[in-house]
Amino acid sequence: GAGVSQSPSNKVTEKGKDVELRCDPISGHTALYWYRQRLGQGLEFLIYFQGNSAPDKSGLPSDRFSAERTGESVSTLTIQRTQQEDSAVYLCASSRRTSGDTQYFGPGTRLTVL
Amino acid sequence: QKEVEQNSGPLSVPEGAIASLNCTYSDRGSQSFFWYRQYSGKSPELIMFIYSNGDKEDGRFTAQLNKASQYVSLLIRDSQPSDSATYLCAVNGGSGTYKYIFGTGTRLKVLA
Repeated sequence: GAGVSQSPSNKVTEKGKDVELRCDPISGHTALYWYRQRLGQGLEFLIYFQGNSAPDKSGLPSDRFSAERTGESVSTLTIQRTQQEDSAVYLCASSRRTSGDTQYFGPGTRLTVL
Repeated sequence: QKEVEQNSGPLSVPEGAIASLNCTYSDRGSQSFFWYRQYSGKSPELIMFIYSNGDKEDGRFTAQLNKASQYVSLLIRDSQPSDSATYLCAVNGGSGTYKYIFGTGTRLKVLA
């Protein structure tokens, strides 16, 4: 596709429910990143993928968070047993390669946990 | 802890003036530097990147990098109200380093 796409654009869920967020990177981009941005805050790194491998998951806030990627395409970020503090915009970005290359961001998924 | 620091602002400048945004970073090995603009409620979009010491110009934007002093700046000439946004500085360590560290951003207000 022309750019990074994410779905859904907005998600409202009840505390304790599981949610799945999807990211479609730019075709041919091997690196994919997930960030979280709370209201008025900076970008918090969550995880990155090189191909379908996630060498560093240390940014994931807790074991309720997990992510996977199929080949060099779609990635899903899953949050289990959502809490109110999970409310944020979740941004996905991709780049041609991992090191030193420009990241292109998707429009984000705004998650609201009631 | 590798950090990227920015003044949160808001930085207010009159229309037509030069806006100067600054960023300092702690990792002396950093090699790639990026400026992103983020409008309220939108995702970040790339403004410029710079890899080498000195200035890099693109239209009204100039990025300046000084690795010895560990700072990178963004100058916006002839500022327009449409430039009002939050500007994020991002730093990547380069070869073999996957992680991009983002600053918390500087909010710029261009007054008409």
